[in-house]
Amino acid sequence: GQQLNQSPQSMFIQEGEDVSMNCTSSSIFNTWLWYKQDPGEGPVLLIALYKAGELTSNGRLTAQFGITRKDSFLNISASIPSDVGIYFCAGHLRGSQGNLIFGKGTKLSVKP
Amino acid sequence: NAGVMQNPRHLVRRRGQEARLRCSPMKGHSHVYWYRQLPEEGLKFMVYLQKENIIDESGMPKERFSAEFPKEGPSILRIQQVVRGDSAAYFCASSPVAANTEAFFGQGTRLTVV
Repeated sequence: GQQLNQSPQSMFIQEGEDVSMNCTSSSIFNTWLWYKQDPGEGPVLLIALYKAGELTSNGRLTAQFGITRKDSFLNISASIPSDVGIYFCAGHLRGSQGNLIFGKGTKLSVKP
Repeated sequence: NAGVMQNPRHLVRRRGQEARLRCSPMKGHSHVYWYRQLPEEGLKFMVYLQKENIIDESGMPKERFSAEFPKEGPSILRIQQVVRGDSAAYFCASSPVAANTEAFFGQGTRLTVV
């Protein structure tokens, strides 16, 4: 099946540091969505991207839709302890009927 | 993910029993998606439904699994004769329109088969 390669798998950072994670694929996507999942909870939508090259911010979060439509990155600036969790990229493949393809996640740990 | 309601949050079933998972989409959303998540994994698509119709079930196991989204009431994911390998978190998402739009997730049902 189609795959999204998400990296890194995990990150251990100090509070206040900036974070960057990304997703790549060999397939073209129509949308990229970034979610955060806390333990025992469902994914919460952080940012949605719809156009190639689009750069969107949500507070301390910034995400971009790659020009080739095959990749996206998420940056978190000035991390705080509540940023801890698992971040997933997800996207709608070109031609899909609505189902999302998910990356395997980036587990973020923040040391106060 | 406020608005997408799933129940129960936790479900324990013995091998061979049936599991019924319910999902009420956000108000105004008529598109429902079911995903399965194994520990330390991303979510895997199972099935996409609109009211009274299955649109895409390409991720659904061929046997024992079924889903419906009736005209009235919640969407139901049914797993018959559960086995230990069915133990996972099952998430429902809804969207207002089809394809290429934001999808909002519920809190999930954690199924444990003993």
